[in-house]
Amino acid sequence: GDSVTQMEGPVTLSEEAFLTINCTYTATGYPSLFWYVQYPGEGLQLLLKATKADDKGSNKGFEATYRKETTSFHLEKGSVQVSDSAVYFCALSLNTGGFKTIFGAGTRLFVKA
Amino acid sequence: DAGVIQSPRHEVTEMGQEVTLRCKPISGHDYLFWYRQTMMRGLELLIYFNNNVPIDDSGMPEDRFSAKMPNASFSTLKIQPSEPRDSAVYFCASRRQGARGTGELFFGEGSRLTVL
Repeated sequence: GDSVTQMEGPVTLSEEAFLTINCTYTATGYPSLFWYVQYPGEGLQLLLKATKADDKGSNKGFEATYRKETTSFHLEKGSVQVSDSAVYFCALSLNTGGFKTIFGAGTRLFVKA
Repeated sequence: DAGVIQSPRHEVTEMGQEVTLRCKPISGHDYLFWYRQTMMRGLELLIYFNNNVPIDDSGMPEDRFSAKMPNASFSTLKIQPSEPRDSAVYFCASRRQGARGTGELFFGEGSRLTVL
């Protein structure tokens, strides 16, 4: 079935370090891919998205490229800040049928000053 | 514009009691989703609606769980009777019809349920 697998956390980094959170997916057809972020006590909010192969989504210094050949959508940021501490979810949304969104397990990121 | 509104934010109840969680989606959004989040299982899709009609309830864990959407601006998720293993954060999310699979989900702040 359709699924999303992302690296387990927690990930702990020092401020200004480089961040990579790996995400791979399995899906029938051609899904849209997303990264959502969840800050403590809040709901999820969209960070970035890509709707077709080779698209790059970017926002707030984060970016991810839709790689169809490796079925991946890894999240990267060149220099993290303490305020980036949160849980990050990779997700796919099917473009057929009910268009439901399937989430990965989430990766918790801690950034130390 | 108001976002997705959920109530209550926190609910503590005893095993066997009925629990009702409420959601008001963003106006104009035609899809509504109920998710459950736990440490063990992460974020699980329970059920979703399109134009107030339930489309897929395969994620609803048991018959104790039921969901309704009587109109475009209101949905409920009911658990009767509740059990300690139902303790979780329940999220409601909505999305525009025209966005199809490319559109983002807008989440509420969640309802944290604790069943003693």
